[in-house]
Amino acid sequence: KAGVTQTPRYLIKTRGQQVTLSCSPISGHRSVSWYQQTPGQGLQFLFEYFSETQRNKGNFPGRFSGRQFSNSRSEMNVSTLELGDSALYLCASMNSYNEQFFGPGTRLTVL
Amino acid sequence: QKEVEQNSGPLSVPEGAIASLNCTYSDRGSQSFFWYRQYSGKSPELIMFIYSNGDKEDGRFTAQLNKASQYVSLLIRDSQPSDSATYLCAVKSGGSQGNLIFGKGTKLSVKP
Repeated sequence: KAGVTQTPRYLIKTRGQQVTLSCSPISGHRSVSWYQQTPGQGLQFLFEYFSETQRNKGNFPGRFSGRQFSNSRSEMNVSTLELGDSALYLCASMNSYNEQFFGPGTRLTVL
Repeated sequence: QKEVEQNSGPLSVPEGAIASLNCTYSDRGSQSFFWYRQYSGKSPELIMFIYSNGDKEDGRFTAQLNKASQYVSLLIRDSQPSDSATYLCAVKSGGSQGNLIFGKGTKLSVKP
């Protein structure tokens, strides 16, 4: 079975721009979660989508948004980028046993 | 604020020894507990999960859960240099549809 895939793997943006990241979950998994990982804060939960609906949301500003499509693929968008948004963004898909499997991540650098 | 705490380390053990990684959590209602391993520059990979009090063994790994003490641990027997990584404890909070809360991880170094 193919794993979780994320595109792009690397991104460089400047402050004020917006960015869209994509995630394809493992086939059959309907839940997709997004996390931000930084050296100082560790892995922080952004939001979870299940069957095209946002099921959970972390404590991030409204500049961070997401959506899920009928094929379970998910996208997250960050608008008005700030320097502090530089991080590794990880997507994880979850099976019915609550096991989450991570994709390789997208490394975002904001200049 | 629901929290998961881990000693950041680094924890250094000699090859062949037992490595013991610990984690405490604040949400007494948490039901599911997970251990992930993350190599430098890579994404986390799931090692094992535990739901019930007691021990759960999978190969060289043993997870231990004590819900009364809100404590979960991971033992790695016969540690190998390839086990050198950061180990993340994650707790599913908020019931069956809650999200995972991660600790900041413990860095393990296994010396040959």
